Amino acid sequence: GESVGLHLPTLSVQEGDNSIINCAYSNSASDYFIWYKQESGKGPQFIIDIRSNMDKRQGQRVTVLLNKTVKHLSLQIAATQPGDSAVYFCAERAGGFQKLVFGTGTRLLVSP
Amino acid sequence: GAVVSQHPSRVICKSGTSVKIECRSLDFQATTMFWYRQFPKKSLMLMATSNEGSKATYEQGVEKDKFLINHASLTLSTLTVTSAHPEDSSFYICSAPGQGHEQYFGPGTRLTVT
Repeated sequence: GESVGLHLPTLSVQEGDNSIINCAYSNSASDYFIWYKQESGKGPQFIIDIRSNMDKRQGQRVTVLLNKTVKHLSLQIAATQPGDSAVYFCAERAGGFQKLVFGTGTRLLVSP
Repeated sequence: GAVVSQHPSRVICKSGTSVKIECRSLDFQATTMFWYRQFPKKSLMLMATSNEGSKATYEQGVEKDKFLINHASLTLSTLTVTSAHPEDSSFYICSAPGQGHEQYFGPGTRLTVT
């Protein structure tokens, strides 16, 4: 299940399940969105990105959905594996600027 | 893909001392680099934009005299935490944009101030 508290929200799933991680972004002018995976003590690792003129993009086992109407982004991971356990961040970039603004993050725990 | 390195990966220093963290783009040039700070179980917060050949641009609330940034070359940016205090203990991460939309992140530097 999913819980929200003082720390990072956590999503716990069983191996093989599909995972959906959600993110609300703040800037309606943002034109580019990225999902990153961060393992403990490491820098963020690129997973998948999407431009604002798209509403869906698929990668290997991952899909990103963008709903600009409600400023919502989601990351779907198919057949989740224990190696997917990490913290996942969405990031947005306002048009013309390279700097990224990161969301609060979600911890994904995958049980074997 | 492009690689960004950071040095050191971990550093422990005493209160009042200064610490320098290096960020290097290993196989590409970066006129701009970004420095982030991350507290435990929190998100990355942008501190400043490092600009080669000019002054860094700091985000609101970040003390530029406390966090000195020097973009010495097209492959190197340094962050110096001056007169460090325990509240400066954090995970510092740099990134550099690629030719397209992508950004490449370094592995991070864990700073502990005792």
